[in-house]
Amino acid sequence: GENVEQHPSTLSVQEGDSAVIKCTYSDSASNYFPWYKQELGKGPQLIIDIRSNVGEKKDQRIAVTLNKTAKHFSLHITETQPEDSAVYFCAASGGSSASKIIFGSGTRLSIRP
Amino acid sequence: DTEVTQTPKHLVMGMTNKKSLKCEQHMGHRAMYWYKQKAKKPPELMFVYSYEKLSINESVPSRFSPECPNSSLLNLHLHALQPEDSALYLCASSRGLPGAEAFFGQGTRLTVV
Repeated sequence: GENVEQHPSTLSVQEGDSAVIKCTYSDSASNYFPWYKQELGKGPQLIIDIRSNVGEKKDQRIAVTLNKTAKHFSLHITETQPEDSAVYFCAASGGSSASKIIFGSGTRLSIRP
Repeated sequence: DTEVTQTPKHLVMGMTNKKSLKCEQHMGHRAMYWYKQKAKKPPELMFVYSYEKLSINESVPSRFSPECPNSSLLNLHLHALQPEDSALYLCASSRGLPGAEAFFGQGTRLTVV
């Protein structure tokens, strides 16, 4: 089955700086890669996603890149703000896990004022 | 509307109690999911319903019993739980197609005493 690894587990950046979170996946047939943001006491919120036929996608301060050959994808947050502080999960779906969303272990992002 | 509604938000139950968690969505999604999330861990898949039929059971103990009465509702019946079952239980839904976005509810915080 699919396995998703995520790094780093914790990340602290100065407000206004950029943050990058990286994930790798094992199943080359996976074709959908969402990113979720989870704030304390809340459910995961879908913030951006990318499909295997696209290399990069942007939405305001957030961007995701995908390298299918290397089987890794990354989340980039620019001009970080205090409200970006949360736990971020990458995930993979499709292939042998078509009906499942397999999550990475999560990254706790803290924005220093 | 991308809302998945879960009730109750919090639940405390004894090991001999029977209780139910409820989940509702009105996005016309045909796949619904139950996930379990322990503190500082990613969500773990428990069950997947596709077109109101159970399609995946991730070897979940029988003290957890899912039910999908119709395409908008998903229940999780709980009986004879153990303290280690205390966790955040998350419901999600998607269109049910490979690569479809999944949206999560806010979860039910369950404490077994």
